[in-house]
Amino acid sequence: EAGVTQFPSHSVIEKGQTVTLRCDPISGHDNLYWYRRVMGKEIKFLLHFVKESKQDESGMPNNRFLAERTGGTYSTLKVQPAELEDSGVYFCASSQDVGGYNEQFFGPGTRLTVL
Amino acid sequence: GNSVTQMEGPVTLSEEAFLTINCTYTATGYPSLFWYVQYPGEGLQLLLKATKADDKGSNKGFEATYRKETTSFHLEKGSVQVSDSAVYFCALSDSGAGSYQLTFGKGTKLSVIP
Repeated sequence: EAGVTQFPSHSVIEKGQTVTLRCDPISGHDNLYWYRRVMGKEIKFLLHFVKESKQDESGMPNNRFLAERTGGTYSTLKVQPAELEDSGVYFCASSQDVGGYNEQFFGPGTRLTVL
Repeated sequence: GNSVTQMEGPVTLSEEAFLTINCTYTATGYPSLFWYVQYPGEGLQLLLKATKADDKGSNKGFEATYRKETTSFHLEKGSVQVSDSAVYFCALSDSGAGSYQLTFGKGTKLSVIP
């Protein structure tokens, strides 16, 4: 069974440009999470989808970040316009929805560098 | 709010040495506790977990005990191997918001030398 995949693995963009990150969860996983790790800091929660609905987006830093999960399958996270402080590693995770806490399976991450 | 504080690294040990990585937490509710590991070039993997006080999680020779009285979840291994070289993250999950989001510590990089 394929794990969580993320694309691209690495992105380098100029300040002010737009970048879109993609996450494909494990098939059948209704829960999808986005996290971010800024250099030297903790991995921080961004938001949580249950199928196509946003269950919790309390971690989204500002309105330059837009996450979507059309059809409840893959998800995209768009940053527009990108700022220097957006640099970091963006992780996606997915889990089943069978009540209570279910193990979150993580992708390898997308390393975003904003110059 | 919730927070996790873990021992800062990097930590360098010789093969077969004893490992302890300290982790303490602050939570508003009654969280579940986890250790995740990230091997070079890979995503985070769940190493072990504990869901209630005095539970001991264990996997691959690693252990951690949920200590409510000291709000701690220290990771231990009796004899590390070179293959244990990775970044280790302590984390908690509190279902208060209904989302089971994970709150992580900063991570501890472990290097094991032959």
